[in-house]
Amino acid sequence: DIQMTQSPSSLSASVGDRVTITCRASQSINNFLNWYQQKPGTAPKLLIYASSSLQSGVPSRFSGSGSGTHFTLTVSSLQPEDFATYYCQQSYNTPPTFGQGTRVEIK
Amino acid sequence: QQQLQESGPGLVEPSETLSLTCTVSGGSIRSYSYYWAWIRQPPGKGLEWIGSIYYGGTTYSNPSLKSRVTISVDASKNQFSLKLSSVTAADTAVYYCARHPYSSDWGWFDPWGQGTLVTVSS
Repeated sequence: DIQMTQSPSSLSASVGDRVTITCRASQSINNFLNWYQQKPGTAPKLLIYASSSLQSGVPSRFSGSGSGTHFTLTVSSLQPEDFATYYCQQSYNTPPTFGQGTRVEIK
Repeated sequence: QQQLQESGPGLVEPSETLSLTCTVSGGSIRSYSYYWAWIRQPPGKGLEWIGSIYYGGTTYSNPSLKSRVTISVDASKNQFSLKLSSVTAADTAVYYCARHPYSSDWGWFDPWGQGTLVTVSS
C-alpha cells in the first residue's frame, strides 16, 4: 500500500492566516492526489482533486499543488468555517489510501 | 445532484456479519461513469477504503479486508450493499458510502453519504 503522511498532525491558526498542509506519498503518485475537509459529525467533503483542480462550489481561497511525492493544500485566508480536519487521498493505485489527517484549530 | 444514504443496523454482535445498504437518489446507479464505494472511519481515527463496485458487476476490495467483504448492486432499487463477515470490535466505525469516477485511477470520492455508526458488541 502507498503510505500517505500529512504534516503537521495539528495546527493552531487565527482567522485571516495563510495555512499550508503538506502530504507526502511513499512513492510517486503523479498528480493523483485529492484533498477533503471534514467537520465533526459530518462526512468528508471534496475540496481539491487531481492535485490542483478546485471542486465546484469550493471557495477560491483553497488551492492545491504538487506532483510525484510532495503535495500541499493552502488556505490563503483562514475563515471561521475552515476550522476542521483535512485529509489527503491518493488515487494512483489499489488500495486508495488516505493520510492520517491534519486538524486545524482556532488559536 | 446525486445523494447517497446509508442504512442498516447500528449494533452487530462479534463474529456476525455486518450488512449495510446505500440508497442512491437524484440519478441512476446504472451508470458506466462511476464506481460506488464503501469507506469507514473508526471513532477518532482516519479513513479506510473498504471496496468499490462498478455497475457492470466488477468489485474491488481492500486486500486487508478482502476475504470478509462482499459488495453488490441492486439496480432495480438504485442501491448497493456491503456485507462484512466475522466482525470484531476493530470493525466498529462510521461507515460511509460514496461515488467515484470510472477512470484510469481510483479518482476522488464525491458525493458521500452522511455515514452510519456501526458498533460491534455483545
